[in-house]
Amino acid sequence: SQTIHQWPATLVQPVGSPLSLECTVEGTSNPNLYWYRQAAGRGLQLLFYSVGIGQISSEVPQNLSASRPQDRQFILSSKKLLLSDSGFYLCAWSAGGLSYNEQFFGPGTRLTVL
Amino acid sequence: QKEVEQNSGPLSVPEGAIASLNCTYSDRGSQSFFWYRQYSGKSPELIMFIYSNGDKEDGRFTAQLNKASQYVSLLIRDSQPSDSATYLCAVDTGGFKTIFGAGTRLFVKA
Repeated sequence: SQTIHQWPATLVQPVGSPLSLECTVEGTSNPNLYWYRQAAGRGLQLLFYSVGIGQISSEVPQNLSASRPQDRQFILSSKKLLLSDSGFYLCAWSAGGLSYNEQFFGPGTRLTVL
Repeated sequence: QKEVEQNSGPLSVPEGAIASLNCTYSDRGSQSFFWYRQYSGKSPELIMFIYSNGDKEDGRFTAQLNKASQYVSLLIRDSQPSDSATYLCAVDTGGFKTIFGAGTRLFVKA
């Protein structure tokens, strides 16, 4: 069965510090990968998605970036965090090909920027 | 701007009752529709998806889709206190982009 991991679970960072969040998927090959952010009481905002190694599509202009160095690894980064970057960061995967794009989420990282 | 709208709630129902959650979407070209359950502080969990007009049943859950009215609903029969959560409606608008509603909070009273 497929499993998706995210770490760390929680993170408190000062404004202006760098960020690196990691997501890995097990039990599947060539997944589509996604990064979402959920602000308190809000819906999920798609940040990035990737359909293959090195292929990243950005949905929202911001100070965040994403990379996919391996098939089942997805990394979210920032060089300098802003207060507005606080939120619940969720990684998700979906099967490629002829699926209906149902997405499965990791446990999430709760980021607080002070 | 493609949108997915949900009543934020809270929706309160007694234990054993039917909970009805509704969602409307703006993009007529949307193909697949999803319901997720999110407990407080946790990540969303996929409950069901539907892509054809009509009803789809899975245990106590029934998803209903009406593409002409751009309307999706989720019925939870025999509601249990453990069903208390926020329910997110999501719509696949194509091109790997899924739009999520802000969610409806459901409380099931014992």
